[in-house]
Amino acid sequence: DSGVTQTPKHLITATGQRVTLRCSPRSGDLSVYWYQQSLDQGLQFLIQYYNGEERAKGNILERFSAQQFPDLHSELNLSSLELGDSALYFCASQRGGQGNEQFFGPGTRLTVL
Amino acid sequence: GNSVTQMEGPVTLSEEAFLTINCTYTATGYPSLFWYVQYPGEGLQLLLKATKADDKGSNKGFEATYRKETTSFHLEKGSVQVSDSAVYFCALREVTGGGNKLTFGTGTQLKVEL
Repeated sequence: DSGVTQTPKHLITATGQRVTLRCSPRSGDLSVYWYQQSLDQGLQFLIQYYNGEERAKGNILERFSAQQFPDLHSELNLSSLELGDSALYFCASQRGGQGNEQFFGPGTRLTVL
Repeated sequence: GNSVTQMEGPVTLSEEAFLTINCTYTATGYPSLFWYVQYPGEGLQLLLKATKADDKGSNKGFEATYRKETTSFHLEKGSVQVSDSAVYFCALREVTGGGNKLTFGTGTQLKVEL
C-alpha cells in the first residue's frame, strides 16, 4: 500500500459525458501527479501540482483539467468524453516538488462506451 | 523531446533464469533514470533508480547501471522467481521549471514459470 488513494476504482460512462477522478496523496506530500495509461499511448504524464499550484504539464488534452485543493487532494476532470479516453488514470504523490520518489495510487479504470 | 525505448515483451523465463530487460533513452542533459514495476491490478512501485552516470541502482536482487556512453539503463537479475512476474517500466525524469515529469517506456511484461 503506497498510501495514495484514488476513487473510484472503476468508472463506466458514455461518450460526451463528464467525470471527476479523485486522488488523496500520502500524508505530508505536497505534489500530486496525474498519469494516463492506455494501450495506444502507454503511460503518459498529464500534469503536476505542487501545494495547489500547477508546476508541470504534459500531454493533457484541453478537455481535461485538474486542480489541487487546500487539503492537498486533487481532482482530474475529464469532459466531452470520447471512446479513446478509456484508460487507467494514475495519481502519484511526492514529498517535495522535484527530487523525491513518486508514490503511485492503484488507479481509476475509466471505460467510455 | 525525451524518450525511452524498452524491449518488447512478453519475456517468458523459467524460475532461476537470468533476466535482462533492455532500456535506452534519448534526453538532453543528464536525467535521472528509474525502473518501476507494476503487479497485476496495482499501481507502479519504484524498483530502483540512478541519478548520474555510472551509478548502479539495486533492489531485491535487481540491478541497473546508468551508462551515459550507450544511453542505456538495462535491468538485470541473476535468478528470477515466479513472484517477479509483472510489467517493468523504464523511465527518465526531467526537471521542467519548478516541477518535473517522468517519461516512461512502453513496459515489458515478464512471466516466470516453474
